[in-house]
Amino acid sequence: KNEVEQSPQNLTAQEGEFITINCSYSVGISALHWLQQHPGGGIVSLFMLSSGKKKHGRLIATINIQEKHSSLHITASHPRDSAVYICAVRWETSGSRLTFGEGTQLTVNP
Amino acid sequence: NAGVTQTPKFRILKIGQSMTLQCTQDMNHNYMYWYRQDPGMGLKLIYYSVGAGITDKGEVPNGYNVSRSTTEDFPLRLELAAPSQTSVYFCASSYSGAGPLFYGYTFGSGTRLTVV
Repeated sequence: KNEVEQSPQNLTAQEGEFITINCSYSVGISALHWLQQHPGGGIVSLFMLSSGKKKHGRLIATINIQEKHSSLHITASHPRDSAVYICAVRWETSGSRLTFGEGTQLTVNP
Repeated sequence: NAGVTQTPKFRILKIGQSMTLQCTQDMNHNYMYWYRQDPGMGLKLIYYSVGAGITDKGEVPNGYNVSRSTTEDFPLRLELAAPSQTSVYFCASSYSGAGPLFYGYTFGSGTRLTVV
């Protein structure tokens, strides 16, 4: 079965801390997406990557294809980063459809 | 650009009622999707469409129907609503072209549906 697993499920941090969220998947993928779901429910795409590393502001996403693993890092975390972060993959055999992890609830306290 | 627009945002249905969730996008994306999100679970694909006139089932299609008569619109129909369909529903769209060309995965703001 094609699976996506995220860890941790819940994460609480103090403002300014460096945060890492992990995602592992079971078989070959064509791309991996990181998404952010705001407390109000809206979902925003943060990154799409198939190799290496991408950076946008304080967010960094990395992927290791051989190890079937990706990480999302947040530097100098802020309370406004509090959200659910979701990893999703496009399997090599599934075209454009995504399979989602269960999400990581991040809370950053001031 | 409006992106992906979903209506309504909230709805309460009685068991056995029917309704249509509307979804429209203005980005000329060829792919459109309907997902449901249950508490503590990842989003699950209900139906998707690769272009006007073409739809296909996802992981959890039972109790739902879709149509795609235009590139812009992808309504989701619930017939005979059941409590198990209480969930948050998201419409999304993307563009996929020749080879690995893929971009623009965009979600609507969601519809919170309660069936009582």
